[in-house]
Amino acid sequence: GAVVSQHPSRVICKSGTSVKIECRSLDFQATTMFWYRQFPKKSLMLMATSNEGSKATYEQGVEKDKFLINHASLTLSTLTVTSAHPEDSSFYICSASRGNEAYEQYFGPGTRLTVT
Amino acid sequence: LAKTTQPISMDSYEGQEVNITCSHNNIATNDYITWYQQFPSQGPRFIIQGYKTKVTNEVASLFIPADRKSSTLSLPRVSLSDTAVYYCLVGDVNAGNNRKLIWGLGTSLAVNP
Repeated sequence: GAVVSQHPSRVICKSGTSVKIECRSLDFQATTMFWYRQFPKKSLMLMATSNEGSKATYEQGVEKDKFLINHASLTLSTLTVTSAHPEDSSFYICSASRGNEAYEQYFGPGTRLTVT
Repeated sequence: LAKTTQPISMDSYEGQEVNITCSHNNIATNDYITWYQQFPSQGPRFIIQGYKTKVTNEVASLFIPADRKSSTLSLPRVSLSDTAVYYCLVGDVNAGNNRKLIWGLGTSLAVNP
């Protein structure tokens, strides 16, 4: 149990276009979902935290108008990178929490975004 | 927010026991300690979680002393497939019941034949 999927796994887009990444909890209801980005050989950087039905909470330095997060249901959250630029190229990973007391997050397989 | 400190890298050989220690001096009363494993270009995978003393599951053990200012992940008889980055995290709850974890640099474990 506790499987999280992400789609797409890889995407290449042109500069100026927008890209949407989906994150789904397949066999549980996720009260909270997290979005991270990770550069090569670096640690995960939390971008934002979202609870179903409410606005996402963004970390300092993350532009909410550029990285749009929607958490419309207990099993789906989306991250849209708007007007992407080459510096947005990164590995984006989502995770989901069941909402119990244990700080346990279930991670998706990640999405490799390349902006040309 | 509690931060963690781990060795940047470790080397081991197949069949050995590997112990990775993490320091978290500012751990709060309600914080849990969680360890994750990450392979290249994959999302992290939960390994083990504990609050105090010792926790054991089918893949690892977690030792937490009474003061909880550090923890040690123990991997018994590692194999080549255990080569990965291991992250120690201390759970923190901020306003609004969001669970935010602070990710350190992790420990890059290399298991050699």
